[in-house]
Amino acid sequence: DTGVSQDPRHKITKRGQNVTFRCDPISEHNRLYWYRQTLGQGPEFLTYFQNEAQLEKSRLLSDRFSAERPKGSFSTLEIQRTEQGDSAMYLCASIDEYRGRNTEAFFGQGTRLTVV
Amino acid sequence: QQPVQSPQAVILREGEDAVINCSSSKALYSVHWYRQKHGEAPVFLMILLKGGEQKGHDKISASFNEKKQQSSLYLTASQLSYSGTYFCGTVKAAGNKLTFGGGTRVLVKP
Repeated sequence: DTGVSQDPRHKITKRGQNVTFRCDPISEHNRLYWYRQTLGQGPEFLTYFQNEAQLEKSRLLSDRFSAERPKGSFSTLEIQRTEQGDSAMYLCASIDEYRGRNTEAFFGQGTRLTVV
Repeated sequence: QQPVQSPQAVILREGEDAVINCSSSKALYSVHWYRQKHGEAPVFLMILLKGGEQKGHDKISASFNEKKQQSSLYLTASQLSYSGTYFCGTVKAAGNKLTFGGGTRVLVKP
């Protein structure tokens, strides 16, 4: 297993365009997170999934953001009508969570979004 | 609500020690610690569960005071490779989401 993969690594888009990012977690991991990170800040929680079920979405997150994990494997994060404030690194992390057992999060390399 | 880390930044000479603190306003089930180097993804260091345990990873160790809802990360005899940004992540109850603090930037100089 090569770890958590994210695609694309970089995305430059014009304001108002829609973008979609993909995350492939470690295959046996049932929990998948999306975070957003800006320069000098910690990863900001966006949403997370247990298999295909979306457990929670950040209340700070605009309706322009949506995420799916249709078959409990890969996940996509879509941002509609992008704004300059959406420019950030979008990180995906996967965890092997079983009955509340805490294990480490494995992060992908992230997708760097620049909105011009 | 995300945990609060202090200090925001620390500069050390090789061989010196440092402590990074992580505090929460809510009761915690567990605390995670990660290190992120510039341009890279965060990398796991250790997890501490409630019960006041301590753990170590090379010369990096941590404690978790459940009653105070605090965790501390100890960098002992720091090495150049310890440079990076350290994040604590907290989980409020078993199975709940993992949220991160704002980070502490550590620079170890020769």
